[in-house]
Parts: sequence; C-alpha cells; structure tokens
Amino acid sequence: NAGVTQTPKFQVLKTGQSMTLQCAQDMNHEYMSWYRQDPGMGLRLIHYSVGAGITDQGEVPNGYNVSRSTTEDFPLRLLSAAPSQTSVYFCASRIGGRNYGYTFGSGTRLTVV
Amino acid sequence: EDQVTQSPEALRLQEGESSSLNCSYTVSGLRGLFWYRQDPGKGPEFLFTLYSAGEEKEKERLKATLTKKESFLHITAPKPEDSATYLCAVLDYGQNFVFGPGTRLSVLP
Repeated sequence: NAGVTQTPKFQVLKTGQSMTLQCAQDMNHEYMSWYRQDPGMGLRLIHYSVGAGITDQGEVPNGYNVSRSTTEDFPLRLLSAAPSQTSVYFCASRIGGRNYGYTFGSGTRLTVV
Repeated sequence: EDQVTQSPEALRLQEGESSSLNCSYTVSGLRGLFWYRQDPGKGPEFLFTLYSAGEEKEKERLKATLTKKESFLHITAPKPEDSATYLCAVLDYGQNFVFGPGTRLSVLP
C-alpha cells in the first residue's frame, strides 16, 4: 500500500497563478482532509470530505477549492495564489465514523512570490 | 469549541534525561486522543490513540497517559533519534479532529 500520496513535493507560484495540489489514497478511507501548517500556527483545516461527492469547509477555506469525485482522490485547487498561501500543505485520510486517527501524506511545500 | 494546547512549546533534553510533554484539551465529547510524531520536512506519523481516562499506551521509550482534561507523553531515557515535533489531537463526537500546536523536542547527545 502506498498510503496517502501527494504531488508535487515542492512548488513555486507567482501571485495570481492557479494550480492544483494532488492527493490520492489507496486505503479506501471515507474521510479526507487538507491541512496547512505554518510556523507557530499548527495544523489548520482547509477543507474536508466525508465521502465521494461530499465536501465541506474547515477553519481556513478562503482562496481554496476542493472536489471529491472518487473515494481515492481529493485535489486542492488554489484559485488565484497569494503570498499568504505560502505554507506546507498536508493531505490526510482516515476511516469514517470510527475512532481512528488520520494517515498523512508527506506534504507539499508551496511558495508564492 | 474544541481546544487543544500543548506545553512546553520547545524542550531540550540531554540524552538519557527523562521528561514529559503535556497536552490539555477542552472537547464537547471525547472519542479519542491521538499522539503524532513529525520529523522536519515530513508528514505527521501516528503514535498512539487513547480513548478513556486512565488508559495508557507504550511504544519503546514513549508512554502516553490520559486523564479527563489532559494527556501526557512520557519519554524515558531519550535518544537523539527521538528529536521531533510531537503533536496531539482530539476527535469529538461530531467527528471534528482538532490538533494542538505541538512540542518541539531536541535530544542532545
């Protein structure tokens, strides 16, 4: 099993550009989430999904879009990149409805200049 | 609203010097408390889940304990390879998963 796979690992964008961060899991987990991690701020939830076709906003959703057309994939779209979106992004998945923790991907380090 | 705090923010230990990290939480209904280890440049890696007050879990030099308001991660005779950031998180009855800010541990040889 590959677990949770994120691509790319590193990305530099110019202000105003758009891009999609990819996330795929092969564990048949219902729940998937996107977090951003900034120094001193911990992990903050951007968007999450409890199953294919169902998404919802987390703590810091502005400037990001998600969709969940399959159980395996949960891409995160930056609509118009801003320097404030410079961060490390983590995708995570877990079994739904049970008391299990998240499995995380290895992260995408994004810099917006 | 669920809240998780961790202390200290950073901790430096000599190799072999045992200590504890604290995770305090306020949650509407606790379904589970989770400890993760995060190495620089990597995603958090799952360590333990605790479900009820009084429960303890152990793994090598780490032992996690849980009370009704806090959890401790005890590190016995740490080694330099235990250096990492340790995160705790709570899962509530609404399936909300909330992370604390982490404790950055450095173990010096």
